[in-house]
Amino acid sequence: KAGVTQTPRYLIKTRGQQVTLSCSPISGHRSVSWYQQTPGQGLQFLFEYFSETQRNKGNFPGRFSGRQFSNSRSEMNVSTLELGDSALYLCASSLDRGITNEQFFGPGTRLTVL
Amino acid sequence: DAKTTQPPSMDCAEGRAANLPCNHSTISGNEYVYWYRQIHSQGPQYIIHGLKNNETNEMASLIITEDRKSSTLILPHATLRDTAVYYCIVVLIQGAQKLVFGQGTRLTINP
Repeated sequence: KAGVTQTPRYLIKTRGQQVTLSCSPISGHRSVSWYQQTPGQGLQFLFEYFSETQRNKGNFPGRFSGRQFSNSRSEMNVSTLELGDSALYLCASSLDRGITNEQFFGPGTRLTVL
Repeated sequence: DAKTTQPPSMDCAEGRAANLPCNHSTISGNEYVYWYRQIHSQGPQYIIHGLKNNETNEMASLIITEDRKSSTLILPHATLRDTAVYYCIVVLIQGAQKLVFGQGTRLTINP
């Protein structure tokens, strides 16, 4: 079974631009979560989508948004990029049949904002 | 904020058992204890989880104290590939695929 895939793996943008990252979950997984990892703040939860609806949200500004499609694939968007948005963005999927399950993480997208 | 406390770093000799402690004194009855690890530059990897009984799988064992206020992850025969940051996380049992990561324990396995 294929794992979680994320595209692109690396991205360089400049301040003020926007960016869209993509995540394909493991087949059959309906929950997709996004995390940001920086050296200073560590791993932080961004949001979680389940059946095309945002179910949980972390403490990030509205510039960070996401969506999930009917096939469970998910995208996250960051608008008006700031230098501090440089980070590793990780996506994770889980089965979620009513109880919390282990999450399977992708390799991440490393975003650099210049 | 993370609801767990872990030592920032630990060392262990290759081939020995690595015992990683975690305090979660405010855990509630509807929360699991989960362990993940992150090897450098990779996404975190699930290791094991438990509610109140001890658990074992092919990767590790999890010992949870009777009052559930602390736990220990045991890697029985550590190898160099077990060098990673290990995260102990308390997670709601239902409806919340949200992991709140703390700083974790950086485990170094020495040859």
